[in-house]
Amino acid sequence: GAVVSQHPSRVICKSGTSVKIECRSLDFQATTMFWYRQFPKKSLMLMATSNEGSKATYEQGVEKDKFLINHASLTLSTLTVTSAHPEDSSFYICSARGLQGRQETQYFGPGTRLLVL
Amino acid sequence: LAKTTQPISMDSYEGQEVNITCSHNNIATNDYITWYQQFPSQGPRFIIQGYKTKVTNEVASLFIPADRKSSTLSLPRVSLSDTAVYYCLVGTWGSSASKIIFGSGTRLSIRP
Repeated sequence: GAVVSQHPSRVICKSGTSVKIECRSLDFQATTMFWYRQFPKKSLMLMATSNEGSKATYEQGVEKDKFLINHASLTLSTLTVTSAHPEDSSFYICSARGLQGRQETQYFGPGTRLLVL
Repeated sequence: LAKTTQPISMDSYEGQEVNITCSHNNIATNDYITWYQQFPSQGPRFIIQGYKTKVTNEVASLFIPADRKSSTLSLPRVSLSDTAVYYCLVGTWGSSASKIIFGSGTRLSIRP
């Protein structure tokens, strides 16, 4: 199956700083990537849809100026958490669509654990 | 967007077959059904995907009745390492792709 990577796998930062998370599709091109966040023992919550070459589409309640998404190429999307605060601490997961056999499906990255102190 | 409903949790024992059923009454004509497995602090892992009838791969089978309003993930001879959360998702792919919204998932616990 297709592979999606994320970097870093975990990050600790001070309140007020910005953190960038990278999501890469390693062996396929992804015109669309998605960003999710997940709190402990909760399901994944979709934050935004990232489209290559255009602006991201954010879900209701997600601040676009706080969670900056850039999809500069067909294999890379980045999520920048600006002016991070402790309540932004969470598990961030990206996903991208790729082929499983002859069918398209959605593949997920390993996730990035963000802890804001 | 199709909403899915799954049992919150299930328990079973090693070596047993586990069947997890998902309801998706509002599934659209072009929607596929996909199941993912998630371990703590990891991203969801693709298990199986299907559109109708039965799909089988090396780890699971997926049964979809004719009306497609539900689906059942079947895990044969589970082991302790199958303890995880399982998500049933429905959506379209390709040029008319829909965004994928996660439901609550099913927390499967396997005991020795």
